[in-house]
Amino acid sequence: SAVISQKPSRDICQRGTSLTIQCQVDSQVTMMFWYRQQPGQSLTLIATANQGSEATYESGFVIDKFPISRPNLTFSTLTVSNMSPEDSSIYLCSVSGPDAGTNEQYFGPGTRLTVT
Amino acid sequence: AQSVTQPDIHITVSEGASLELRCNYSYGATPYLFWYVQSPGQGLQLLLKYFSGDTLVQGIKGFEAEFKRSQSSFNLRKPSVHWSDAAEYFCAVAPPFGNEKLTFGTGTRLTIIP
Repeated sequence: SAVISQKPSRDICQRGTSLTIQCQVDSQVTMMFWYRQQPGQSLTLIATANQGSEATYESGFVIDKFPISRPNLTFSTLTVSNMSPEDSSIYLCSVSGPDAGTNEQYFGPGTRLTVT
Repeated sequence: AQSVTQPDIHITVSEGASLELRCNYSYGATPYLFWYVQSPGQGLQLLLKYFSGDTLVQGIKGFEAEFKRSQSSFNLRKPSVHWSDAAEYFCAVAPPFGNEKLTFGTGTRLTIIP
């Protein structure tokens, strides 16, 4: 399976500021995904990031709040903009498996964000 | 739209005892099914997956799961748990065709007692 890294691993930020999270994969992948996991909750998909096109956002998530870049097949960034304490969560990126037809995904270690 | 239910929020098991974590799904056809594990402070690791064929699938770390179409279930089992199995377990479902998103259940937290 792909090896996925995320930076930063954790951060504490002040409200009103923005944080950009990086996701790096050790091989080229077709699809990359960004999830949010609020404290004690399950995973909620924020958006799907495909190289060369705009990210596709899920209901309840908008580009102005969570802009995403996907400049190539091994890298993506998620920015959490104008943060509030409600944005305190773990943010995880994942990538599609070798056969995108199976919808299998591999996850990075996550970025733990605390907004004060 | 697909959905996943994990009825047990928290399960406590003695070390060495058997384990079964429940997962029920809702979808019009047979979906793709997955179990992931999340250890404290970690990302998610894929334990096993079901696409088609044999309804009993083997995964990593001694886990297995059985797909039962009649019950719309995909329960995770392990014959003898180890203290290192303490974690959060998530069942996930996706439509049986490509480039579709995963839908996760709410998770089951597993505690192991000595």
